[in-house]
Amino acid sequence: NAGVTQTPKFRVLKTGQSMTLLCAQDMNHEYMYWYRQDPGMGLRLIHYSVGEGTTAKGEVPDGYNVSRLKKQNFLLGLESAAPSQTSVYFCASTDSGYNEQFFGPGTRLTVL
Amino acid sequence: AQRVTQPEKLLSVFKGAPVELKCNYSYSGSPELFWYVQYSRQRLQLLLRHISRESIKGFTADLNKGETSFHLKKPFAQEEDSAMYYCALRRSGNTPLVFGKGTRLSVIA
Repeated sequence: NAGVTQTPKFRVLKTGQSMTLLCAQDMNHEYMYWYRQDPGMGLRLIHYSVGEGTTAKGEVPDGYNVSRLKKQNFLLGLESAAPSQTSVYFCASTDSGYNEQFFGPGTRLTVL
Repeated sequence: AQRVTQPEKLLSVFKGAPVELKCNYSYSGSPELFWYVQYSRQRLQLLLRHISRESIKGFTADLNKGETSFHLKKPFAQEEDSAMYYCALRRSGNTPLVFGKGTRLSVIA
């Protein structure tokens, strides 16, 4: 039982490049979330999903897209990376919106 | 809109001293409040939630609706308590958590 995993762990992009971050969970959770963590800003919700095939915008969705084609995976895409998207990205999941969120180890992204 | 405020970015205490990490929230309804912790090089994990009324690793937190606060307390700090602490709020219902900006606790030996 790996819990919540994230791929890759680190990535460096140039401005304008695109990439996809993968979040996978093996706990059969319905709800999945993408956050970014920045110094002095805490965790801010980017997008979330309440079930397979559904997505919704969070607090800071601009510049990101997501997809939840399979229940266990939640993908975060950056179509044209910008330096302002340099951050640590965390994925989380839960079986119900009422319960504890389980977090992944994070992806450190640098955009030059 | 709901908001979570953690007024201290950094809190330094000596080992054995009492610790209080402050959390205030703004929400007109009945929220659920949580404390999450992130130890160095580890992922975030739930420390405690107000509805459980538990003491985890010696930490307690009481929801004070009159003062809209959910401060985290421990009577005697340990070095292993050094970490980043996040207070989080969920509106009543099935909605995403809203996190505060976090407080870094440093326990000095």
